[in-house]
Amino acid sequence: KAGVTQTPRYLIKTRGQQVTLSCSPISGHRSVSWYQQTPGQGLQFLFEYFSETQRNKGNFPGRFSGRQFSNSRSEMNVSTLELGDSALYLCASSKDDLPGGYTFGSGTRLTVV
Amino acid sequence: SQQGEEDPQALSIQEGENATMNCSYKTSINNLQWYRQNSGRGLVHLILIRSNEREKHSGRLRVTLDTSKKSSSLLITASRAADTASYFCATDATGRRALTFGSGTRLQVQP
Repeated sequence: KAGVTQTPRYLIKTRGQQVTLSCSPISGHRSVSWYQQTPGQGLQFLFEYFSETQRNKGNFPGRFSGRQFSNSRSEMNVSTLELGDSALYLCASSKDDLPGGYTFGSGTRLTVV
Repeated sequence: SQQGEEDPQALSIQEGENATMNCSYKTSINNLQWYRQNSGRGLVHLILIRSNEREKHSGRLRVTLDTSKKSSSLLITASRAADTASYFCATDATGRRALTFGSGTRLQVQP
């Protein structure tokens, strides 16, 4: 079956711009989570959505937002980009069977210049 | 912020040897998971151990969990060059569905 699909794979943006990243989960998975990975801070949880509702949110500023659609696809948006937002953004999906492992996408590498 | 630390930060071994990585965490957990990441790519789920389990096996992987010490270890037996990657432990705290990752161990297996 198809894995978690993230688009685009690579993105270069300028400071102050905004960006939208997309994630299509595995069919049947209703939970979608987002993570940011940087060399300095490592892997950090951004937020998690289930049935179009944000259930959990990490410690990130309000410039980071997301949403989930009725087909479970999710988008995350970062407004007013800063150089420090350069990172690999990873999406993960899971069934809502607690506890369970997560299936990650290959990520979107965002570079802010 | 990260849940805890992994050690060693880097490990270099020869093919056929065993590799052991350790993970410590800070809060109560529902389960602990191990993931592998090849350079700059997504994470691959390896194994999950629940808080009421002490040991789990999957192929060449063996994971132990000591909740009293808030620590876990991942053992990869008979390592292969293809095992070269970064390995992360991640905890799923009780009641949350947000993984908190350790800092990772970079494993290099020399052919």
